[in-house]
Amino acid sequence: LAKTTQPISMDSYEGQEVNITCSHNNIATNDYITWYQQFPSQGPRFIIQGYKTKVTNEVASLFIPADRKSSTLSLPRVSLSDTAVYYCLVGLTTDSWGKLQFGAGTQVVVTP
Amino acid sequence: EAQVTQNPRYLITVTGKKLTVTCSQNMNHEYMSWYRQDPGLGLRQIYYSMNVEVTDKGDVPEGYKVSRKEKRNFPLILESPSPNQTSLYFCASSFPPGGELFFGEGSRLTVL
Repeated sequence: LAKTTQPISMDSYEGQEVNITCSHNNIATNDYITWYQQFPSQGPRFIIQGYKTKVTNEVASLFIPADRKSSTLSLPRVSLSDTAVYYCLVGLTTDSWGKLQFGAGTQVVVTP
Repeated sequence: EAQVTQNPRYLITVTGKKLTVTCSQNMNHEYMSWYRQDPGLGLRQIYYSMNVEVTDKGDVPEGYKVSRKEKRNFPLILESPSPNQTSLYFCASSFPPGGELFFGEGSRLTVL
């Protein structure tokens, strides 16, 4: 399994862009990279998924360099409601089909 | 409404008293999995199931059992709970395994 490493916490002000980088040095060829958001006492919620280059949806962008050993989740113009824990997940490999390993997560705190 | 339902949401029990946490999804997903979440440790996978009658261990399976007799249900069984199993538990499902995971609202278990 590809082990992931993320910063423990990040602080930001409202309206700023937040970028969270996840390291996954031993990512496998078939692995996708997925990010989840979790609020206290709730289950994680899917944000975005990608395989290479850049993926963008209505809430975030995901940047993946050519070597795929890291990925960066970008949250544009954050608001107070973006305060949450963000998890990077690398999985879907032929060696561990179904076995998923979340990182410890990054606590993002947005202040006014 | 697409959802994953867990029961009970909260439970306080005593050491050694067998308990079952139920999980049901209405999305016809083949893949289901269980996680426990402890402070500072993020989400750790307990067991997963690729389909009916197909289950396998995650990272922390000790002390837990699962079964998958029907596609929609994936109960987590604690045969003899111990205090170190006090945790917040999440069930999730997806199609396919590496696709978007849909999480339940969580079950907070306390073992005295």
